[in-house]
Amino acid sequence: QVSLVQSGAEVKKPGASIKVSCKASGYIFTNNYIHWVRQAPGQGLEWMGLINPSHGATNYIQHLKDRLTMTVDTSATTAYMELSSLRSDDTAIYFCARRLAQTKSFDSWGQGTLVTVSS
Amino acid sequence: IMTQIPVSLSVSRGQSASISCKSTQSLVDINGRAYLSWYLQRPGQPPHLLIYEVSKRFSGVPEKFSGSGSTTEFTLTISHVEAEDVGVYYCMQTTQLPYSFGQGSKLEIK
Repeated sequence: QVSLVQSGAEVKKPGASIKVSCKASGYIFTNNYIHWVRQAPGQGLEWMGLINPSHGATNYIQHLKDRLTMTVDTSATTAYMELSSLRSDDTAIYFCARRLAQTKSFDSWGQGTLVTVSS
Repeated sequence: IMTQIPVSLSVSRGQSASISCKSTQSLVDINGRAYLSWYLQRPGQPPHLLIYEVSKRFSGVPEKFSGSGSTTEFTLTISHVEAEDVGVYYCMQTTQLPYSFGQGSKLEIK
């Protein structure tokens, strides 16, 4: 069955960077885009961006473009989300999700990774 | 921009609940398909898919969940609400980039 397993919680200081991993299994990794969504404490969901694992093409939400990098390691069927110059308002749970090609819906989600930015 | 109403709702067991989601732009693409989906996020869990393409139930989703609407206005209806339906419901558009979610509607049992 399809599974997305993310790396564990992290605490970072302002100005640092974070790299979260999302290990995919149970399907052909290059067949589906991976998206990243975040959720600040007590808040709603924010779409951050996507990566096409087939050739690495990305698309990021405008206000994170300068700080956000998504990559994949196809041999390890793992997607990565790196966010730099962290600020306190980047404190959130970060989710990866698989998008179904035909329906453009997110059928599988990682368990989430809590990133806390605090001095 | 996606706007959900209500932000919260309290429903008695066995009653129905409806959530509205409105988009400032048409969600119908050039092929005539609207990529509007609904997700439920239970406390402490990631969201999970209920409805895709406005009205199609995802695999394993009970018939009590139904979606309707077109173009810019959409509705999720939950019939016979039970305790396990509690959580926050989100609509999401994936017709155009950047993708976006509604702000969420929190369902509680009265």
